[in-house]
Amino acid sequence: DQQVKQNSPSLSVQEGRISILNCDYTNSMFDYFLWYKKYPAEGPTFLISISSIKDKNEDGRFTVFLNKSAKHLSLHIVPSQPGDSAVYFCAASRSGGGADGLTFGKGTHLIIQP
Amino acid sequence: DAGVIQSPRHEVTEMGQEVTLRCKPISGHNSLFWYRQTMMRGLELLIYFNNNVPIDDSGMPEDRFSAKMPNASFSTLKIQPSEPRDSAVYFCASSFLAGLYEQYFGPGTRLTVT
Repeated sequence: DQQVKQNSPSLSVQEGRISILNCDYTNSMFDYFLWYKKYPAEGPTFLISISSIKDKNEDGRFTVFLNKSAKHLSLHIVPSQPGDSAVYFCAASRSGGGADGLTFGKGTHLIIQP
Repeated sequence: DAGVIQSPRHEVTEMGQEVTLRCKPISGHNSLFWYRQTMMRGLELLIYFNNNVPIDDSGMPEDRFSAKMPNASFSTLKIQPSEPRDSAVYFCASSFLAGLYEQYFGPGTRLTVT
């Protein structure tokens, strides 16, 4: 049973436009959510996170939105750049990020087209 | 900071052989995690340690898998005997234990069992 779901295996966006990646979760115990970016042959790299007490967190071109009632979060990248082409993983934790293992979605492959 | 260090980066072995994967976490981090990535199951948590103590090994697939953390700067994941279905990329990650902290991932070990 997948507790974290990313329903779009891939997404193609034109350079300069907004990229929106979505993630749904089923476990109400999750209280900390993270987005990771992964290039081929490398480990996942932390991008941005959000605590369940917030509904938005912004860092430069990246913004994460959390809708607890819908158990949904999204990552917005504005403007999209060629270097953003990668696989993006949504992850969730029940007790901060360090005291518990992360539950990952299966990832969305973002392709930024010139 | 050198980040999380994993060795070897690639391992090819024959079925039945023992395999040992190694991880050095980021200095000062007191939580360590082992994950496995496969096409079928995505990224899944195998086991994690807090302050060198194993907390949850429910993700370890079989008794053939074992992990140790003899000190704060070193951990091993051992598979004995290895089987072709163990072929995957194995990631180690580390984090601070308390509070809202992201996990930092190593580059991974690509294991191929023939």
